[in-house]
Amino acid sequence: SSELTQDPAVSVALGQTVRITCQGDSLRSYYASWYQQKPGQAPVLVIYDENNRPSGIPDRFSGSSSGNTASLTITGAQAEDEADYYCDSRDSSGNHHVVFGGGTKLTVL
Amino acid sequence: QLQLQESGPGLVKPSETLSLTCTVSGGSISSSSYYWGWVRQPPGKGLEWIGSIYYSGSTYYNPSLKSRVTISVDTSKNQFSLKLSSVTATDTAVYYCARALFGSSQNWFDPWGQGTLVTVSS
Repeated sequence: SSELTQDPAVSVALGQTVRITCQGDSLRSYYASWYQQKPGQAPVLVIYDENNRPSGIPDRFSGSSSGNTASLTITGAQAEDEADYYCDSRDSSGNHHVVFGGGTKLTVL
Repeated sequence: QLQLQESGPGLVKPSETLSLTCTVSGGSISSSSYYWGWVRQPPGKGLEWIGSIYYSGSTYYNPSLKSRVTISVDTSKNQFSLKLSSVTATDTAVYYCARALFGSSQNWFDPWGQGTLVTVSS
């Protein structure tokens, strides 16, 4: 399968921990990357190579993976973390083909 | 700091060809470490990978769009371009360009351009 599945919406109380998941067969072979997108803005890379943060991304963002599921965890969610989150990965073909998850809308209560 | 900027018509008629250019500044498009990609997002929907290109001209396209997509690179201008033919209303989207990395086990896009809205309408 070349699909990545995400829950459409997740909510978290301010200051609490939330996990956003991404499922797909290709994740057994390839790392997921994660992007944050706020309304009207371009996506921003927050996690790459499963659990690496680009410069400038707060350390409350972390990634992990198990089997066919990759996870983005926000520890101590802040109001500014409210956004859409997308995972991506290579597809299972072995080529340089990319597939995105459908996205998860995170609400911080 | 690497920056990418999309440019092109914001309105395209059905059945015509959508053409966009991405200008890269603050770095060379001829870097051997990176690819360059296009991603689109229909209004209110998720991200869709369109395709990617290496500075040498090697391309990879989304199989669902492959028959209509051409991505090219102009290293002399530090630009790469997207052409999408025979467009319909379903091609209406914000189109983003981004730098891409492809490793043996991974890929990611960073940074992204600000995006440009292309509307397909007569």
